[in-house]
Amino acid sequence: KAGVTQTPRYLIKTRGQQVTLSCSPISGHRSVSWYQQTPGQGLQFLFEYFSETQRNKGNFPGRFSGRQFSNSRSEMNVSTLELGDSALYLCASSPLAGANEQFFGPGTRLTVL
Amino acid sequence: SQQGEEDPQALSIQEGENATMNCSYKTSINNLQWYRQNSGRGLVHLILIRSNEREKHSGRLRVTLDTSKKSSSLLITASRAADTASYFCATDAYGNNRLAFGKGNQVVVIP
Repeated sequence: KAGVTQTPRYLIKTRGQQVTLSCSPISGHRSVSWYQQTPGQGLQFLFEYFSETQRNKGNFPGRFSGRQFSNSRSEMNVSTLELGDSALYLCASSPLAGANEQFFGPGTRLTVL
Repeated sequence: SQQGEEDPQALSIQEGENATMNCSYKTSINNLQWYRQNSGRGLVHLILIRSNEREKHSGRLRVTLDTSKKSSSLLITASRAADTASYFCATDAYGNNRLAFGKGNQVVVIP
């Protein structure tokens, strides 16, 4: 099976812009979770989607949002970008919802200037 | 707040030696997982140990879990240069249903 794919791999934006990141899970996986990784805060949970429904959400402002489509593909959107949003955004999929074994994609490196 | 917290030290060892890293957490958990990350890329799942298990093996990996001390250790035996990576523990706290990751332990294996 193909692994989790994320597009784009690298992205440069300026403050105030918005960005959309995409994640395609492993075939058959219905759960998609998003994480933000920074040197200062480490890996932080953003949200989880399962069968097109947001099941869980981390402590991030409303500028961070996501959705999941009927084919389990997921997108996350960050509006009004801030410098502190520069990070590696990781997507992970799993056959089951919740905190089970996660299969991670390679990540999208977002730089906000 | 993050549950898993690894010992913050970086580890530098010679190929063939064993590497041990620890993780502590604060609340009751359903399971604890270890992941590896190479050079800021995606994480790779290594092993999952449930709260009712004390020890688990997978190849050259050995994980222990002490729920009374709220701690876990990951042992990599006979390390290889390819084991050079950051290692994260992640916990699934009761009622949370999501993973909380520690800060990670950087391991460098010198050939």
